Amino acid sequence: GESVGLHLPTLSVQEGDNSIINCAYSNSASDYFIWYKQESGKGPQFIIDIRSNMDKRQGQRVTVLLNKTVKHLSLQIAATQPGDSAVYFCAENEGFQKLVFGTGTRLLVSP
Amino acid sequence: NAGVTQTPKFQVLKTGQSMTLQCAQDMNHNSMYWYRQDPGMGLRLIYYSASEGTTDKGEVPNGYNVSRLNKREFSLRLESAAPSQTSVYFCASSERGPPYGYTFGSGTRLTVV
Repeated sequence: GESVGLHLPTLSVQEGDNSIINCAYSNSASDYFIWYKQESGKGPQFIIDIRSNMDKRQGQRVTVLLNKTVKHLSLQIAATQPGDSAVYFCAENEGFQKLVFGTGTRLLVSP
Repeated sequence: NAGVTQTPKFQVLKTGQSMTLQCAQDMNHNSMYWYRQDPGMGLRLIYYSASEGTTDKGEVPNGYNVSRLNKREFSLRLESAAPSQTSVYFCASSERGPPYGYTFGSGTRLTVV
């Protein structure tokens, strides 16, 4: 069943393409950022994180870029696969135990 | 499998009924959280427990109560359910909160009619 809204921004890509999902965050004092993936009917799953003293971090097929000047975060997925289809959320840490989530972007991957 | 377990997975309540959502983690995490997820909105924090024996309000605590029963378990109670509480509820745990990552349960879909 669907666990998120019907009006999320949607990114449609072909299998094998690179995907870039963007997120604008609100608090310039946020010191830590996370990307989560949520498949239909499941809970969010950690993908990658980055601290505010970094501007880039790479994982397996994923890269997170942080631009503190414009308060922008992006998630790049290389060689996107159908299994990457999901809703992706960014989250920022605004303070003690205060992780704030964005509304999400739906990624649709066509074979 | 290690992780966060939520029960029940689905529930339908009538307005005014009460119920408790259960959450347990087996990762020896100190911090636990309850979020709700509504269409078009991000996850919103209802309550959290930074460590065993403590609980604090999050962004949307009204209409809810919580109990940190022990280090493993963190329950969420709706004393008098309202249609506005129709949502998907997620429990999460973390070793100590940010910058440590969160592990989420699979959610409880609650409908209040």
